[in-house]
Formats: sequence, C-alpha cells, structure tokens
Amino acid sequence: DAKTTQPNSMESNEEEPVHLPCNHSTISGTDYIHWYRQLPSQGPEYVIHGLTSNVNNRMASLAIAEDRKSSTLILHRATLRDAAVYYCILTNNTNAGKSTFGDGTTLTVKP
Amino acid sequence: KAGVTQTPRYLIKTRGQQVTLSCSPISGHRSVSWYQQTPGQGLQFLFEYFSETQRNKGNFPGRFSGRQFSNSRSEMNVSTLELGDSALYLCASSLGLPRTDTQYFGPGTRLTVL
Repeated sequence: DAKTTQPNSMESNEEEPVHLPCNHSTISGTDYIHWYRQLPSQGPEYVIHGLTSNVNNRMASLAIAEDRKSSTLILHRATLRDAAVYYCILTNNTNAGKSTFGDGTTLTVKP
Repeated sequence: KAGVTQTPRYLIKTRGQQVTLSCSPISGHRSVSWYQQTPGQGLQFLFEYFSETQRNKGNFPGRFSGRQFSNSRSEMNVSTLELGDSALYLCASSLGLPRTDTQYFGPGTRLTVL
C-alpha cells in the first residue's frame, strides 16, 4: 500500500493561512489524495480530495504537485475550530486498495 | 439526512468475552468500512464492505469479523477479547466505493476491556 508522510505537528496563529504538507512518493496513477481531519472526541471528517488538479471547496484548498508525489492542504484563514489532527491518505478503486491513515499532523491554532 | 450512527457508544467488557458493535450508514450509502483507533497505533483499517460483500480486510487476527446486511447496516464482532482490543472503533460509510467516494465517519464506539 502506498504510504504518506506528514509532519507530526504544526502551529498557526488565528486568521493566518496554514499549509499542511504531505509526501506520497510511491503514489500510483490511480490513487486519489484524500484529506480528513479529526477534532477532539469526534470521528474523522472529510476535508477535500483530488486526483491531479488543484481543488478548492468551502473548507480548504488542495494543491497537488505536478509529479503527484506531494500535496499541500491549505486553510486560508485558520480559526480555533480548525485545531485538529489532519490526515492525508491515498485511496484507489482496486480490491487491493486500503485506506491507510498515518499518524497525521496535529495542528495547533493560537489565538 | 441522519449521519452515521454507531451503537453502543461506550462498552466495558472483560478479557475472554466477545462483543458485537453496530453501524448504521447514511441512508443510500452502500459501503461501510471499519477502523480501530488507539493512542499507540493510530487509525488502522479493519474491513470494508460493499453491497454485503467484504472487499478488503486489514491485518487483524481472525478474532475480528464483520458482516453487512441487505439494508447496508453493518456489524463487527470481536471474540475472545484481549486487553489490547481496548480502542475507539469507527465506522465510515460512503455512497459508492470508499476508494474514490468521500467517507463519512460515525462518532465511534469506545470499547474498554478489563
């Protein structure tokens, strides 16, 4: 299974942009890049996903490198409610594919 | 639409017992996946079901089993419980295959094995 590598922790100030990196050097052509986040005492929630092109939604933006070996989740203006563990995972539609969640990045947002 | 529901939310068992956890997916979703989350191991994939068929299984012993019913509801069973099975068990549903569709997670069942 393709693995992802994320920094263990990051800090941000409130209302500033946050760039959360993810390395996935063994990504295959059929792998989608998904980002989830988990707030304290809750199950993970979907943030954004993409395949090749950059993606935007109301929560965040996803910038995917041209070679797809890395991606960056961008929170345009961090709020205290964005403090969570952010997971970057690779998924594909084959039977052998399994969602492998790494340790994620713990984002701390300072007021 | 109601979200993913899991029952029970909390459970205390003793070693050697067995336990059954239940997951009701979002209406219309056909796929259910199960995950185990512990402080030491993080989020680990257990099983994935789609239209009552197990499509994928994680690296867990045979004591862990599951099934999906025709209404997409799913159960997982853990037999001969061990202390190390204490964890948060999360269920996630998706409309189609979770590989490409968004997964929606439930709040989890917190299992404590004494």
